[in-house]
Amino acid sequence: ETGVTQSPTHLIKTRGQQVTLRCSSQSGHNTVSWYQQALGQGPQFIFQYYREEENGRGNFPPRFSGLQFPNYSSELNVNALELDDSALYLCASSPQVGDGYTFGSGTRLTVV
Amino acid sequence: QQPVQSPQAVILREGEDAVINCSSSKALYSVHWYRQKHGEAPVFLMILLKGGEQKGHDKISASFNEKKQQSSLYLTASQLSYSGTYFCGTATNSGYALNFGKGTSLLVTP
Repeated sequence: ETGVTQSPTHLIKTRGQQVTLRCSSQSGHNTVSWYQQALGQGPQFIFQYYREEENGRGNFPPRFSGLQFPNYSSELNVNALELDDSALYLCASSPQVGDGYTFGSGTRLTVV
Repeated sequence: QQPVQSPQAVILREGEDAVINCSSSKALYSVHWYRQKHGEAPVFLMILLKGGEQKGHDKISASFNEKKQQSSLYLTASQLSYSGTYFCGTATNSGYALNFGKGTSLLVTP
């Protein structure tokens, strides 16, 4: 399988709800990182997983959590959604930490 | 800490050249460059590593000044397909994820 696939592509949630975003990486890509991209801004690092363990985290609160699975898929979970969580969420994978990323097309989350 | 990109926006005519800069206040291990077209995912262009190694696109060139913690992306003989937003991402350690700049919007016109 090639490329990085994210689902869903668009999502509308109500403030206070919880959401799970999914990512399927390329086989052999042991590293997955999640980024939040607000409109007109660069991607902001949320966290990174290597071989199913979190090995880096950006300046995001604990209500942002994740998982990486042995089959190269991963999840981003956000609890207690806030209006400011509205953004494009990008999943990026690479064979090893420090290699160039392959990005997914993202999930556009709107919190109302 | 977020790297600073300049300029914020550039408009070129097809065939012209452009330079996009990225600077950091911290010592860097690597600089990555990506291009994102509207509504699409960022696409990897190049990595520049401390020590001089480079990996990436054959038609893109870039430099990394380790003393100044600055990188520049050189777009020569621009084509319409070069239009998009260019992001630099920096890492301070080989094990760290990237911090991205705010981007440089490039528009190439006929």
